[in-house]
Amino acid sequence: ELKVEQNPLFLSMQEGKNYTIYCNYSTTSDRLYWYRQDPGKSLESLFVLLSNGAVKQEGRLMASLDTKARLSTLHITAAVHDLSATYFCAGEDYRDDKIIFGKGTRLHILP
Amino acid sequence: KAGVTQTPRYLIKTRGQQVTLSCSPISGHRSVSWYQQTPGQGLQFLFEYFSETQRNKGNFPGRFSGRQFSNSRSEMNVSTLELGDSALYLCASSLLGRGSSGANVLTFGAGSRLTVL
Repeated sequence: ELKVEQNPLFLSMQEGKNYTIYCNYSTTSDRLYWYRQDPGKSLESLFVLLSNGAVKQEGRLMASLDTKARLSTLHITAAVHDLSATYFCAGEDYRDDKIIFGKGTRLHILP
Repeated sequence: KAGVTQTPRYLIKTRGQQVTLSCSPISGHRSVSWYQQTPGQGLQFLFEYFSETQRNKGNFPGRFSGRQFSNSRSEMNVSTLELGDSALYLCASSLLGRGSSGANVLTFGAGSRLTVL
């Protein structure tokens, strides 16, 4: 069964700094998704990565996928307080036909 | 257009009782998935329905069950509640079913927060 691991699980950073969240997955999964969850809210889709080398960017967030390394990254550039949230990556397990989520990275950006 | 609607939003039950949660997907979405979210375990897959058929099930005991109706609305039921069932139950719908070649983006509802006393 596909396993998805994120790190770090908690991240506190200063505004204006750059940082990267890592998402490793255990078996073949050519589709990788990133979601955001604000406190007390539900999950919202951020990025969909469908092929090796895919890169998507929106604002200060950029996601990439390396299927050979089974790694996706979410890079935050010049963080601002509004980006404080929990970020989840998720992969599709084709054998089991499930979408499996990582445990999430709780990001807290200090003003 | 209306999003994914889950009811009830909050509920409190006692051990041994049962609970039914409801989910109305986005119009036109035929796939409905359920997840359990807890602080320690994150989001764990419960099951997925497509066109009234359960296509897959996660590693949960048989006390957890679900169904989907012809209008794609889905319900999940938990019987003989235990303290550990306290969680946020999230429903998500998607346009595409499993095995499709396109992106399978999930649209989540606000969740039903269940507290078991």
